[in-house]
Amino acid sequence: GAVVSQHPSRVICKSGTSVKIECRSLDFQATTMFWYRQFPKQSLMLMATSNEGSKATYEQGVEKDKFLINHASLTLSTLTVTSAHPEDSSFYICSATNNPGRDYGYTFGSGTRLTVV
Amino acid sequence: QKEVEQDPGPLSVPEGAIVSLNCTYSNSAFQYFMWYRQYSRKGPELLMYTYSSGNKEDGRFTAQVDKSSKYISLFIRDSQPSDSATYLCASSSGGSYIPTFGRGTSLIVHP
Repeated sequence: GAVVSQHPSRVICKSGTSVKIECRSLDFQATTMFWYRQFPKQSLMLMATSNEGSKATYEQGVEKDKFLINHASLTLSTLTVTSAHPEDSSFYICSATNNPGRDYGYTFGSGTRLTVV
Repeated sequence: QKEVEQDPGPLSVPEGAIVSLNCTYSNSAFQYFMWYRQYSRKGPELLMYTYSSGNKEDGRFTAQVDKSSKYISLFIRDSQPSDSATYLCASSSGGSYIPTFGRGTSLIVHP
């Protein structure tokens, strides 16, 4: 089955620094990748949708200059949290699909626990 | 009102019990309904999906959708400790393929 690898699984950074999270589709070409944020006991909140080779589409309320998304290839998307602050601490999860017209079955990465101190 | 509502639990049951997990939704345009299982500190994995109303069975799992009442259910038979996880329901419309998630229900199956 489709596999999405996400790294790192956990990262601790100092306030004011930037952190990059990678999301790779290992056995398929992901034309579309999604980035979510999840707080404890809360639902997955979609942050942005990225299509290979084009700019990401951000959801309302998500700062595009703070959460930089790059989808330069069909197998890799990156999320960079710039000038991180403690309130950015959260669980970040990506998902990927090679058929965005399909309404189910997106493959998720294993998530990244970001802690900003 | 959130588009997909789900009681966060936790729901604690003994091994072997039948588990019923439920969601309600408000968007009449939703046609696709999914259940994901998420273990602690991991990404969600798709368990089942259904289109429109009806039942779908896969092993010990049965998904049920009642569009007239906007009610989504997941039944787990003969529950096992390994079923302990958070279960998220999700829905999407035919026009927007991006699912809207509920907050998840934490299930604990104790031996």
